[in-house]
Amino acid sequence: AQSVTQLDSQVPVFEEAPVELRCNYSSSVSVYLFWYVQYPNQGLQLLLKYLSGSTLVKGINGFEAEFNKSQTSFHLRKPSVHISDTAEYFCAVSTLREYGNKLVFGAGTILRVKS
Amino acid sequence: DGGITQSPKYLFRKEGQNVTLSCEQNLNHDAMYWYRQDPGQGLRLIYYSQIVNDFQKGDIAEGYSVSREKKESFPLTVTSAQKNPTAFYLCASSTTGQGISPLHFGNGTRLTVT
Repeated sequence: AQSVTQLDSQVPVFEEAPVELRCNYSSSVSVYLFWYVQYPNQGLQLLLKYLSGSTLVKGINGFEAEFNKSQTSFHLRKPSVHISDTAEYFCAVSTLREYGNKLVFGAGTILRVKS
Repeated sequence: DGGITQSPKYLFRKEGQNVTLSCEQNLNHDAMYWYRQDPGQGLRLIYYSQIVNDFQKGDIAEGYSVSREKKESFPLTVTSAQKNPTAFYLCASSTTGQGISPLHFGNGTRLTVT
């Protein structure tokens, strides 16, 4: 069965510092990968996705992620964070099953940006 | 603007009562989903529907029921059989089945049962 592990439940960082939110997955077949962001008391918004092609994916708000098949990882990065990036971030992985894809979410990482 | 509307934003119920959460979308998406969110557990799929008049159980369907009589509507009923119903409930939609096209989410309903 596939699973998604977000290695840090909380990541504190100072404003304008770089940040990396880690995501590892387990799957024996090809995957599609997503990062979503959730601001307090709101739904989730798509940050970026990897379906195929270049392993470096750029998303909204200056975020990017790199798909590493050998390490089964899809870490999210931003070179310089802002206070407004404070939110919870979810990694999600989809694998193709016999009767359609199944999407599994990680437990989430809370990013706290401090001034 | 197109989007997903969930109502109400906050809902309070007494134990033993059924309650229905509303979800409406005007994105013309075929697929709709209900997720439950608990702190530190990510999102867990309750039910999903890929087409009108058809729906499938997700990972935690026990104690919940849904209907899909119209393309734009996918209400969720939390029944008295759900042992721990207090949670944040998120409705989502996508153009195709889960895992290929990105999900569009509503702003959620926070249900408190006492």
